[in-house]
Parts: sequence; C-alpha cells; structure tokens
Amino acid sequence: AQKITQTQPGMFVQEKEAVTLDCTYDTSDQSYGLFWYKQPSSGEMIFLIYQGSYDEQNATEGRYSLNFQKARKSANLVISASQLGDSAMYFCAMREGLTAAGNKLTFGGGTRVLVKP
Amino acid sequence: EPEVTQTPSHQVTQMGQEVILRCVPISNHLYFYWYRQILGQKVEFLVSFYNNEISEKSEIFDDQFSVERPDGSNFTLKIRSTKLEDSAMYFCASHLPGAETRSRTEKLFFGSGTQLSVL
Repeated sequence: AQKITQTQPGMFVQEKEAVTLDCTYDTSDQSYGLFWYKQPSSGEMIFLIYQGSYDEQNATEGRYSLNFQKARKSANLVISASQLGDSAMYFCAMREGLTAAGNKLTFGGGTRVLVKP
Repeated sequence: EPEVTQTPSHQVTQMGQEVILRCVPISNHLYFYWYRQILGQKVEFLVSFYNNEISEKSEIFDDQFSVERPDGSNFTLKIRSTKLEDSAMYFCASHLPGAETRSRTEKLFFGSGTQLSVL
C-alpha cells in the first residue's frame, strides 16, 4: 500500500482564488510528521509547512495552511489567494517515528498546480 | 535564511565513470541526507548521515554508493561506476533536530539539486 497518496495529478486554479491539494497517508506509528514541499520548474525543493502528529492545531505559514484530519489520515494543503508564482509541483511527505531519529521522508507522487491569470 | 548548497548543478558523465556530488549543509545542522528524483517519478530517500556515520540507507543505496563528510562543511555522495539508471536529480538535505512539537525546527532543508545525466 502507498504510504503517501496524492490523488490529483494536476490542477488549474484561478489567480487570487484558494486551492486545496489532497494528501492521505498510511502509518501505524503514533508519532509522525507531515510535510509539504513546492518544486518549481527550476527544480529546487522548497519547504512550505510541517505538521506533527501531536500538534493540536493545524499548521499555518503565511498563505499556506494544513488541514490535518488525524482520524481520516489526511493532511491537505490549502493555498489561499493563489499567485502566478504558485505554479509548481507540490509534494506531500511523511516522516515516521520519533523526531530525533532524523527526517527520512516518504514522498507522494505530487500534484502539479497551474495558476491562471 | 541559511541554505544548503550543491555543486555542480548539472553533471554529465559516461556510463562506468565515477562521479562525486558535493553539498554544503547548513553549518549547525546535525543530520545530512541524500535523496534522488528520477524524471517524472517520486522523490526517494537514499541515505541519512549522523555523527560521521550512516544512520539509515535505502535499498537503492548499494555498494556503488558512498557518502563522506571529509571536513566540517562538505558532504559528498560518490557513485563509483555510474549506470544509465542513475540519471536523476540528486538532492542533498540537512536537518537540526529540535523539540518534539516545535515545527520550525523540524524543517528539512533541501539544496537546489544536481541533475546527473549518465550517457
């Protein structure tokens, strides 16, 4: 079974609108972390947001927020007020186990977002 | 903001040749990683390195691969005899472990990657 599933291979979004990128995960660990990264066409991996499994509040970082639903094992990324520069590939990733053990991440297949003017 | 730097950005090599990919992690970080991304595929974990030794490696990381931290700043990935299927983007990353729930300290910083093409 896939550990990280991103069901949307590609999405169009209108500039200034919000977009939700889906991510579901599969783990039997009680302690884990969920990450979202942005990969523009230039190729680098840009950290966006992190949610720990024990964090009680949903993580937010500027225009990015993570809709964490632990019981459903989902960690959807919400980008508010989309900008043209948001056009990129977005990856959801999970670290299983204790934080101090390091950040071996398992990545999903990614969602390509194209923001239309 | 401090960043992870990787050189070269592109590397072209002949099959069977040795390549060394170089990385300078963020200076106060303690964990170092290599990941790779074959074109059109998922990002895959290769190896993690802590306290001057490999802490974990994937099944991809066979005897053809090695990592080294030769001095206090560089972290290298060596592929001894490259194969066509080693063609990929290779990412270096570093991490400073922090308290359990402090999200900012859990950030895994990636470099911009080295695109390796094996001909």
